[in-house]
Amino acid sequence: KAGVTQTPRYLIKTRGQQVTLSCSPISGHRSVSWYQQTPGQGLQFLFEYFSETQRNKGNFPGRFSGRQFSNSRSEMNVSTLELGDSALYLCASSLVLNEQFFGPGTRLTVL
Amino acid sequence: QKEVEQNSGPLSVPEGAIASLNCTYSDRGSQSFFWYRQYSGKSPELIMFIYSNGDKEDGRFTAQLNKASQYVSLLIRDSQPSDSATYLCAVKEAGNQFYFGTGTSLTVIP
Repeated sequence: KAGVTQTPRYLIKTRGQQVTLSCSPISGHRSVSWYQQTPGQGLQFLFEYFSETQRNKGNFPGRFSGRQFSNSRSEMNVSTLELGDSALYLCASSLVLNEQFFGPGTRLTVL
Repeated sequence: QKEVEQNSGPLSVPEGAIASLNCTYSDRGSQSFFWYRQYSGKSPELIMFIYSNGDKEDGRFTAQLNKASQYVSLLIRDSQPSDSATYLCAVKEAGNQFYFGTGTSLTVIP
């Protein structure tokens, strides 16, 4: 069974730009969660989607948004990038919202 | 502010010893508890989960949960150098949101 895939794996952007990250969950998994991981803050929850609906949202500014498509693939968007947005962005999928399986992540660097 | 606290380490144990990793959480409504392993440069990998008070064993790993003390731990028996990684404790609270600790770095010395 294929695992969670994320694209792109690496991104370099400049302040003020926007970025879109993509996540394809494990086949049959309908829940997709997004996390930001930084050395100082650890893993922080961004949002969770299930059947194209956002069910939970973490404490991040409105510049961070996401969506889920009918095939369960999900995208997250960050607008007006700031230096502090540099992080590893991880997507996790689950059949039901319990055992989460993480993708390899997208490493975003904001210059 | 819901919090998950872990000893940051680093924790060093000799090969073959028992490694003990601890985690406390603040939300009494938390339902499920998870341990992830993260190797440097890799994404977290689920080791095991526990829902009920007591112990749950899976191979060399044992998770222990005490909801009254809001405490969950992970024991790794017969530690191997390949167990060297950062271990993340995660808690799913009543609102279905996951909270992660910042992780404990474990080094197993051959």
